[in-house]
Amino acid sequence: DQQVKQNSPSLSVQEGRISILNCDYTNSMFDYFLWYKKYPAEGPTFLISISSIKDKNEDGRFTVFLNKSAKHLSLHIVPSQPGDSAVYFCAGVIQGAQKLVFGQGTRLTINP
Amino acid sequence: DTAVSQTPKYLVTQMGNDKSIKCEQNLGHDTMYWYKQDSKKFLKIMFSYNNKELIINETVPNRFSPKSPDKAHLNLHINSLELGDSAVYFCASSLPLADDQETQYFGPGTRLLVL
Repeated sequence: DQQVKQNSPSLSVQEGRISILNCDYTNSMFDYFLWYKKYPAEGPTFLISISSIKDKNEDGRFTVFLNKSAKHLSLHIVPSQPGDSAVYFCAGVIQGAQKLVFGQGTRLTINP
Repeated sequence: DTAVSQTPKYLVTQMGNDKSIKCEQNLGHDTMYWYKQDSKKFLKIMFSYNNKELIINETVPNRFSPKSPDKAHLNLHINSLELGDSAVYFCASSLPLADDQETQYFGPGTRLLVL
């Protein structure tokens, strides 16, 4: 019963182009979503979040879009840089539940 | 100056042994967590403690016992280790409930291999 799904295990993008990572969820109780970035042999690091009352949040090169009716969110990275190569996890949380529910991650590779 | 630290980073041990993983955070957070990342790379919560009190226990076998001596530490003790316990274990912490508590900060992980 995977409540958060990242259906693309990997994505390869040319440096300078846009990277779009997708995430779908089934639990309509989620009211907050987060994206984490993970390098090998390190813990996940927080990247950007979005509240369910918004449909977009932007932070520099990173923008997260939320489509509640489709239960879908996406992370856009533009322009993509080699240092963006990592595994990206999407997570949902029910406020007050203090529990992140993670997707299985998408490995992003930025090619020079 | 590591915010969330875990020791050891790697742990190789035999089936049946008992082992502990330590976690410390210097962020002043009230809530700490243990997550397990299995071979399929899913990150799943195991436990959550708020101010030394157990908040979440996600049907983890009782061979796993978290211990929180103070709010800056959450250790994980595992009894009678099994092959299926091999995974990467991540500790995390977050701000108090009234603040940005959804954002959790993770340690570097402990890679446990049970032989």
